[in-house]
Amino acid sequence: EIVLTQSPGTLSLSPGERATLSCRASQSVSSSYLAWYQQKPGQAPRLLIYGASSRATGIPDRVSGSGSGTDFTLTISRLEPEDFAVYYCQQYGSSPLTFGGGTKVEIK
Amino acid sequence: EVQLVESGGGLIQPGGSLRLSCAASGFTVSSNYMSWVRQAPGKGLEWVSVIYSGGSTYYADSVKGRFTISRDNSKNTLYLQMNSLRAEDTAVYYCARNGYSYGRSYWYFDLWGRGTLVTVSS
Repeated sequence: EIVLTQSPGTLSLSPGERATLSCRASQSVSSSYLAWYQQKPGQAPRLLIYGASSRATGIPDRVSGSGSGTDFTLTISRLEPEDFAVYYCQQYGSSPLTFGGGTKVEIK
Repeated sequence: EVQLVESGGGLIQPGGSLRLSCAASGFTVSSNYMSWVRQAPGKGLEWVSVIYSGGSTYYADSVKGRFTISRDNSKNTLYLQMNSLRAEDTAVYYCARNGYSYGRSYWYFDLWGRGTLVTVSS
């Protein structure tokens, strides 16, 4: 089973700042089959990125994903108020699919 | 509108059974891979089960032999039958549609329901 480790656990930033979230896999993720989700309190997760770098429908271009192999990054170039949430990475290249433990982006 | 709406959660005693439903609108359940994903209170996400458009089913080891995923094409609804429930099954259960791109389905999730809470406790 591929273990995904997300860092940092919490990121304290101000609106307008750049957020850089890391997701590290215990083994190489096949074909860069990595997704990112955003979850706000009391809500379902929302798909942001799939295939490591492809934005989902309706996701603004200030959100981007990059990486391959074992190291992946989610970047939000300029934080908007609606971006403060918990972010999860997920690999779907190997069975069983697994999720990271999450990074909380909070207002500083 | 494209959406998923779960129902059927509640408080159940250990060893009991519960059936969750997920009504889909705006797309056809049977044409997609469909999954259940759960989230224990204050915890992260855990994939539970998937049903392929062709009908094949797969389960996480933690629920194999106890949970059964199915669908009713006439009702455009996905189900999760949960038997022999344990305290560690307590979670919000989300119904999700697997992503589809470049002509095939994948195991990421592009549409989620709002979830239904299952609490296993005596």
